Amino acid sequence: IAGITQAPTSQILAAGRRMTLRCTQDMRHNAMYWYRQDLGLGLRLIHYSNTAGTTGKGEVPDGYSVSRANTDDFPLTLASAVPSQTSVYFCASSEGLAGSYEQFFGPGTRLTVL
Amino acid sequence: GQNIDQPTEMTATEGAIVQINCTYQTSGFNGLFWYQQHAGEAPTFLSYNVLDGLEEKGRFSSFLSRSKGYSYLLLKELQMKDSASYLCAVKENDYKLSFGAGTTVTVRA
Repeated sequence: IAGITQAPTSQILAAGRRMTLRCTQDMRHNAMYWYRQDLGLGLRLIHYSNTAGTTGKGEVPDGYSVSRANTDDFPLTLASAVPSQTSVYFCASSEGLAGSYEQFFGPGTRLTVL
Repeated sequence: GQNIDQPTEMTATEGAIVQINCTYQTSGFNGLFWYQQHAGEAPTFLSYNVLDGLEEKGRFSSFLSRSKGYSYLLLKELQMKDSASYLCAVKENDYKLSFGAGTTVTVRA
């Protein structure tokens, strides 16, 4: 593994189902993030984590939950998917939260909720 | 709230120069990033400005004026591989990076 990986690459999901998007990084970065990207809206922050054991809400957290049990993994869970959660989801990481740390993005998960 | 504006699309010829403008009104400012995103791929970091002025990195340069809430990304000697979306993003606080909708640049031969 080099950088950030996400799984699955794409998924079609029935409304009301539970879904977990996986994200793993091997750069030993402290901070991790989940974004969704929708046409015309740009990337929007869902949740973030400063370090293992801590998480915070971003701009659009409703309907999503995260956990950070260790440094490398940051899964995103949709407890009961709705069609408005159809989007491309990107996981990202950075050395830290504050300052000029650039964020490194995973390849994305394309999720369709029907 | 936050407002980050950039043009939706731009077209330029191979070898030319293109300037992508970004204006912002945000609740906080801890720096401005530019990212490049090819279709179907992840965004990748291009530049970071926190002080006023021009930062040059090869064919790409980025400018910031904090008093005007304005930045631009300058792409010189355009190549076909530069066809992509360019995302302007403002670091509003320790954790929040707010993105514009992106500018799609098409380079024509």
